Amino acid sequence: AQKITQTQPGMFVQEKEAVTLDCTYDTSDPSYGLFWYKQPSSGEMIFLIYQGSYDQQNATEGRYSLNFQKARKSANLVISASQLGDSAMYFCAMREVHQGGKLIFGQGTELSVKP
Amino acid sequence: NAGVTQTPKFRVLKTGQSMTLLCAQDMNHEYMYWYRQDPGMGLRLIHYSVGEGTTAKGEVPDGYNVSRLKKQNFLLGLESAAPSQTSVYFCASSQPQGSKNIQYFGAGTRLSVL
Repeated sequence: AQKITQTQPGMFVQEKEAVTLDCTYDTSDPSYGLFWYKQPSSGEMIFLIYQGSYDQQNATEGRYSLNFQKARKSANLVISASQLGDSAMYFCAMREVHQGGKLIFGQGTELSVKP
Repeated sequence: NAGVTQTPKFRVLKTGQSMTLLCAQDMNHEYMYWYRQDPGMGLRLIHYSVGEGTTAKGEVPDGYNVSRLKKQNFLLGLESAAPSQTSVYFCASSQPQGSKNIQYFGAGTRLSVL
């Protein structure tokens, strides 16, 4: 059964430092997509980055990069040069191509950036 | 630049009352979804639609009904609200692109059932 696991309920990082948020997944479908979303205290869900299972290179979007290790079934989010505005909940999610458009979400990691 | 719009933003119901949450998207997306988010948990899929006139059950469909009469709108109905349905509800839409299929979310509806 498809599953997403985020083992860090909360993380702290100093402003301007890099931080890694962990995500592992389980699926038997060879074709899938992995997503990270940010949820600030205001509540909206903001798409950050996407990685396809057949993508050869790790995805990057500005200060966000995804450390994709397919054999280990991990898709960690790396935020470089943390900013105070990065303080939020971060959710990892997965979509299996043969399961329609459904996303399965992890429980989230709360990131706090310290000045 | 509206994207996905949910109405209302907040609602308080009494047990047994009914209500409808409206989701509207202006991106001409084929797929639309309703999720709920409970404290300490990620989002869970209630129902979804892969096109106008179609709906399908998600992970937690009991107690909810949906309709997609127009491509841009996806309605979520609670026929007889229960306290267990107190939650934050999110609507999302996406355009299928293989595995990519990025979902864009509305701002959420906070529902309390007393």
